[in-house]
This record gives sequence, C-alpha cells and structure tokens, in this order.
Amino acid sequence: NAGVTQTPKFQVLKTGQSMTLQCAQDMNHEYMSWYRQDPGMGLRLIHYSVGAGITDQGEVPNGYNVSRSTTEDFPLRLLSAAPSQTSVYFCASSYSAGLAINEQFFGPGTRLTVL
Amino acid sequence: DQQVKQNSPSLSVQEGRISILNCDYTNSMFDYFLWYKKYPAEGPTFLISISSIKDKNEDGRFTVFLNKSAKHLSLHIVPSQPGDSAVYFCAARGYQKVTFGTGTKLQVIP
Repeated sequence: NAGVTQTPKFQVLKTGQSMTLQCAQDMNHEYMSWYRQDPGMGLRLIHYSVGAGITDQGEVPNGYNVSRSTTEDFPLRLLSAAPSQTSVYFCASSYSAGLAINEQFFGPGTRLTVL
Repeated sequence: DQQVKQNSPSLSVQEGRISILNCDYTNSMFDYFLWYKKYPAEGPTFLISISSIKDKNEDGRFTVFLNKSAKHLSLHIVPSQPGDSAVYFCAARGYQKVTFGTGTKLQVIP
C-alpha cells in the first residue's frame, strides 16, 4: 500500500495564481482532511470530508476549496494565492466508525511558497 | 481560541531518562486524545491514544495519562532514546474534527 500520497512536494506561486494540491489514499478510508502547519501554530484544519460527495469547513477554510468525487482522492484548490498561504500542507485519511474518527495517516506534505 | 495547548515549545532530556510532554485542553466534549510524532520533512505519524473513559494507556516505552477533571494529558517516554528526538503533537477528537496542539520539540541528548 502506498498509504497517503501528495503531489507536488514543493511549489512556488506568485500572488494571484491558482493551483491544486493533490491527495490520494489507497486504504479505503472514509474520512480525509487537509491541514496546514505554520511555525508556532501547530496543525490547523482547513477542510475535511466524511465520505465521497461530502465536504465541510475546518478552522481556516478561507481561500481554499475542496471536492470529494471519489473515496480515494481529495484535492485542495487555492483559488487566488496570497503570501499568507505560504505554509506546509498535509493531507490525512482515517478509518471512521460512524462519526468517530480514528488515528489519521498523513501524507509527506507539500511545501508551498507564495511570492 | 486555542482549544488544545502545549505550553512547552521545546524540551531537552538526557538519553535514558524520562521525557514528559504535557497538553491541556478546554473543550469538555473531546472524547478521544492522540499523540503524534513528527520528524522534519515528513508527515506526522500516530504514536498512542487514550479514550476519555480511561486514565492511562501504555504501549512499550510510551504511556499517556489523562486527567479529565484538570483537562490535562501527558505523554511519558521511558527510557528516552536519541531516535525519539522529534516534534510531538497532542490532538483531541470532537465531532467530525480533530484539533491539534502547537507541538513540543523534544531533543534527547546522547
């Protein structure tokens, strides 16, 4: 199993550009999520999904969109990049029993710089 | 509003001694708590967890203690090893979401 994969590993954008961060998992997990990690801020939840076709906002959703058309994929879209979105982005997936999220498996991260 | 707090950004411990990492939370609706370990340039990996109905969970060198009345949990690592040097995140599960603390960077000195 590849687990959770993320592409690209690194990306540099100019202010105003858009891009999509890809995330895929092969563990048939219902629950998937996106976090950003910033110095001194820990991991903050951007968006999450409890299953295909269902998404919801986390703690810091502004400037990001998500969709979940399949169980495996959960892409994160930056609509118009801003320097404040410079961060390391982690995708995670988890088996969930009902509404209870179990331990999450994280991808290796995408380091994004917005100039 | 930081619902999960790790007040110590860093901790240094001698190899072989005990490492104690602390975490406080404010939301009494959290029902499950987890610790993750993160090495540089890698994603976090799950370490150990505890349900809110328990006060202790042990897995090898790692033990997590939960004090619900104080809304406090701690991770004990005994004995500490140089390979334990990493950032440790405390996390708490609520309704459909997991909230993470800011992390504690542990350095184990050989």
